[in-house]
Amino acid sequence: GENVEQHPSTLSVQEGDSAVIKCTYSDSASNYFPWYKQELGKRPQLIIDIRSNVGEKKDQRIAVTLNKTAKHFSLHITETQPEDSAVYFCAAGYSSASKIIFGSGTRLSIRP
Amino acid sequence: DTAVSQTPKYLVTQMGNDKSIKCEQNLGHDTMYWYKQDSKKFLKIMFSYNNKELIINETVPNRFSPKSPDKAHLNLHINSLELGDSAVYFCASSQKAGGVVEQYFGPGTRLTVT
Repeated sequence: GENVEQHPSTLSVQEGDSAVIKCTYSDSASNYFPWYKQELGKRPQLIIDIRSNVGEKKDQRIAVTLNKTAKHFSLHITETQPEDSAVYFCAAGYSSASKIIFGSGTRLSIRP
Repeated sequence: DTAVSQTPKYLVTQMGNDKSIKCEQNLGHDTMYWYKQDSKKFLKIMFSYNNKELIINETVPNRFSPKSPDKAHLNLHINSLELGDSAVYFCASSQKAGGVVEQYFGPGTRLTVT
């Protein structure tokens, strides 16, 4: 079945620096790749997603890239701020599936 | 307005007891889910209903039984609670079933079994 691997499990960066979280997926039929952010004690919320017909998508300080050939996709956060501290989940899904598969999460900490 | 709500927010109970968690969504979505998030933060899907019909039933002990009285509600009943059931349970909904739509999560129910 579909499997999504996410790295690293923890990441600490200096405020203002960039952070990159990487994921790989196993099912070549996957065509939808969302990223969810979960702040401490809160619910996961979608922050950005990308579909397989595009290679990159940006929204202010966050961007996602997708390499379908290598089955890799990544989340990039630039100019990190304290409020970026959270657990980030990547996920993968496809049209005929009834669910999306989540990665194991990355705990991002921003050092002041 | 709250989109996906769950009650209770916290639940502390003893081993062997039976408890229920309720979920409601006011988004008009067709599909609802239950996830379990353990202490390592891994999000594991348990069940999904589409228009009151069970469409996902992952490898979950029979002690867990979901029930969807209508497409706006999905409840989770747990019998004979065990220590390993301690986790945060999230309800979620999406506009339709499928792996290509955004899921909206509820605030979670932190279950502690002592």
